[in-house]
Amino acid sequence: KNQVEQSPQSLIILEGKNCTLQCNYTVSPFSNLRWYKQDTGRGPVSLTIMTFSENTKSNGRYTATLDADTKQSSLHITASQLSDSASYICVVSAMSNYQLIWGAGTKLIIKP
Amino acid sequence: KAGVTQTPRYLIKTRGQQVTLSCSPISGHRSVSWYQQTPGQGLQFLFEYFSETQRNKGNFPGRFSGRQFSNSRSEMNVSTLELGDSALYLCASSPEIVDEQFFGPGTRLTVL
Repeated sequence: KNQVEQSPQSLIILEGKNCTLQCNYTVSPFSNLRWYKQDTGRGPVSLTIMTFSENTKSNGRYTATLDADTKQSSLHITASQLSDSASYICVVSAMSNYQLIWGAGTKLIIKP
Repeated sequence: KAGVTQTPRYLIKTRGQQVTLSCSPISGHRSVSWYQQTPGQGLQFLFEYFSETQRNKGNFPGRFSGRQFSNSRSEMNVSTLELGDSALYLCASSPEIVDEQFFGPGTRLTVL
C-alpha cells in the first residue's frame, strides 16, 4: 500500500536553532517527492520537488534530501525564524497514475 | 500571473443543503485538484481533473462531485451536507498532472 509517514508529529524549537524533519515512504514506482509549507488556514506552498536522480535540493534556508534506496527524505531548516512556524508536508507522486500521496505533516513551532 | 483563486472564501450552510465551490486555476494550467482539510488533519484528496476529464478520485462518498470546464475552471459540489463536511476546501492547479501544484487560499465551509 502506498503510504507516506512523517516524523515527528510536532516539534518546538527556539528561534535561531536548526531542525530536521523526516519523511518515509513506501510509494512505488516513485515519480517525485515534494515538500510543502502550510501556514494555518492557508493553502500549502511548495518548497522543493525532487526526482529520483536528485539527492539534495535547497530553497534558501530549507534543504531537502532524498535517499531513493531507503525511501527516506528529510527537510532541514537552518537558523529558524518565527515565520517558519507552520506545518510541513511531504508528498510523494506515484509514477503509475501520478497520484499524490500526502503525509500527515509535521507541525513546527518556533519560540522566541 | 494571477494565482489560483477560489470563491467564495467563506461559506455557512445548514445540514441537508448543497453547496458549489469554484476554482480558477493559473492561466495555462490544465490540471486542477481538490482537497479537503479538517481541523488538525492532513489534506485528503478529493479528485483531479485534466482537460475536462476526471483523472483521479479519492475515497469520498458520491455526495462529492466535481467538473472542469473548457477554460480549465473547476467547480466542486457537495450535496446533502453533513456536519462532518465542515472543512477547508483547497484547490490546486498545475500545468500538467505531474507538475508542481500551486494552491489557492481555500474555501472555509461551515455546516451548522
